[in-house]
Formats: sequence, C-alpha cells, structure tokens
Amino acid sequence: DTGVSQDPRHKITKRGQNVTFRCDPISEHNRLYWYRQTLGQGPEFLTYFQNEAQLEKSRLLSDRFSAERPKGSFSTLEIQRTEQGDSAMYLCASSLDKAFFGQGTRLTVV
Amino acid sequence: DAKTTQPNSMESNEEEPVHLPCNHSTISGTDYIHWYRQLPSQGPEYVIHGLTSNVNNRMASLAIAEDRKSSTLILHRATLRDAAVYYCILNQRGSSNTGKLIFGQGTTLQVKP
Repeated sequence: DTGVSQDPRHKITKRGQNVTFRCDPISEHNRLYWYRQTLGQGPEFLTYFQNEAQLEKSRLLSDRFSAERPKGSFSTLEIQRTEQGDSAMYLCASSLDKAFFGQGTRLTVV
Repeated sequence: DAKTTQPNSMESNEEEPVHLPCNHSTISGTDYIHWYRQLPSQGPEYVIHGLTSNVNNRMASLAIAEDRKSSTLILHRATLRDAAVYYCILNQRGSSNTGKLIFGQGTTLQVKP
C-alpha cells in the first residue's frame, strides 16, 4: 500500500498524559498536513510542512501541540498534557497537486 | 477564504444518478472547485476538481455554472458504497499549498437499496 499511513489508528489516554502520533506520507510528496476532526464536523487544518520546514500553523494549534518532520519524510504530532477537549480524529495528508489523506488516529482522552 | 454552501443531507436510491449542489457565490477567478468525500471511519478522499469547464473522471462528473457561482457533483449511478459526506471546497489556483483545505460541514449522502 503506497497511500498515507498513520499510526496508531486508535489511542486512549488519561488526561494529563502526553501522546505522539506518526504519519508516513506518500513517498514523493513534499507537502504534509495535519488536521483535526471532531464528531459531526469537517476536518480543521492544524499545520503544514514543505519538506522539513513547518510553514504554517493554525491558531487551533495550542502550545501543547508540536509537530515535526525531521528529515522531510515522516512526521510526528505530539500533544502534551492532554485534555478531554483534545479527543478527536487526527488526520494527516500529503500532496503534490491534490491531497491524499490517511485513515487518521482517533484519540480518546479519559 | 471564499465560502461554500451545501445542503446538510440528501438521499438517493441505489443505481440512480445523484446531483450534489454547491453554492460559492464569492468565488474568485483564481479559485479551483474541489470535491472530496469521506466514508465512515475513513479519511477524506479526493473526488474531482475543476476551474471553469465541466470535468469527468472515473468517479464522478463536475458541472460548473457559467458564472462559476455554483457547481454540481454528479454521481451517475449511486451505489451503497457512495454513502459518505461530500465536501465542496475552493482552493486557490497556482497555490503551492494545495493540501490546505477549508472544509465546511458537507452533504451527508444516504443511498437506499
């Protein structure tokens, strides 16, 4: 499968814990995006990388969130001190001319 | 960003055509019209996009009004697997940021057997 891959698919964590998600984009895509989606809503843009450079961050990306793409290939999204409001689906996408999405990581904070 | 307006939900019968409308009255001359769909428990999936002319691909057709203030996604024969949320999104022409998409709430399509 050469699509966008996300790991894990599901994560349950206790409030206050840190979590990290991984995204492996389509190999020739230099642009990578993170989105968050809550129930019944469309995905919301969080941040964007071109190669290893993080070029844009949404106001939704609070100080507790950090994303990296160290070698311009895979990316990680870390949430520190998780809160119940962080419960959502976190989607990764990569693109050349159109975006391809992964299946997402569903986070539940209890 | 220019906004789009879609009906919240639509129903269709299996094997019948479906026309999903989208209004984008504030579209600018540099905006492409993109359609994505999201099946249950999946990430969004690209369907089709266009600028001015109608477009066809293996998944669907896109009909764009002459004034570009509205468009219609056409599924020629709906199947049960087409049940999904369909998003109409405007994306700037020539932008290097082609994956930064502003999603609305989309249209939830139900397909009845």
